[in-house]
Amino acid sequence: KAGVTQTPRYLIKTRGQQVTLSCSPISGHRSVSWYQQTPGQGLQFLFEYFSETQRNKGNFPGRFSGRQFSNSRSEMNVSTLELGDSALYLCASSLLGQYSGANVLTFGAGSRLTVL
Amino acid sequence: DQQVKQNSPSLSVQEGRISILNCDYTNSMFDYFLWYKKYPAEGPTFLISISSIKDKNEDGRFTVFLNKSAKHLSLHIVPSQPGDSAVYFCAAKMYNAGNMLTFGGGTRLMVKP
Repeated sequence: KAGVTQTPRYLIKTRGQQVTLSCSPISGHRSVSWYQQTPGQGLQFLFEYFSETQRNKGNFPGRFSGRQFSNSRSEMNVSTLELGDSALYLCASSLLGQYSGANVLTFGAGSRLTVL
Repeated sequence: DQQVKQNSPSLSVQEGRISILNCDYTNSMFDYFLWYKKYPAEGPTFLISISSIKDKNEDGRFTVFLNKSAKHLSLHIVPSQPGDSAVYFCAAKMYNAGNMLTFGGGTRLMVKP
């Protein structure tokens, strides 16, 4: 079955612009999470959505937002881009929405954002 | 405040030998631990996990050990193969945080032929 699909894979923006990234989870997966990976901060949790509701949010400013649609596809948006927002943005989906230790996140290949 | 730490940014091992990757955590609320492997230009791939009620979990060449009292876990790869060369992340989750993972900074493993 198809994996987690993220689009676009690469994009370049300038400071002050906004960007929208898209994620299509594995078919049947209803939970979608977003992570930011940077060389300095590593992999950091942004937010998680389940059944179109944000369940958890990481420690990021309000410029970072997301949503989930009824078909479980998700988008994240970053407004007023800053140089420090340059990163690899990873989406992950999982089958279960409630906590389960054994529930594994499957990651997409990521969207690499460069802010100039 | 890094709750999950991987203190070795890189590790070089000869093919056929054992690779040991280490991870420390500070939050005693973590109750499940996972290891992910990441190749360049790809997303992390799940490798193996362990519940906090266990001290060892094995899957083929991969074994994860958990020492709760020391808040330390390690991943053993035996024997190491050149295809194992990648960045390895340990991650932790806690009961009341949905599917949120807290990751360590990663260790780049290089397995030399």
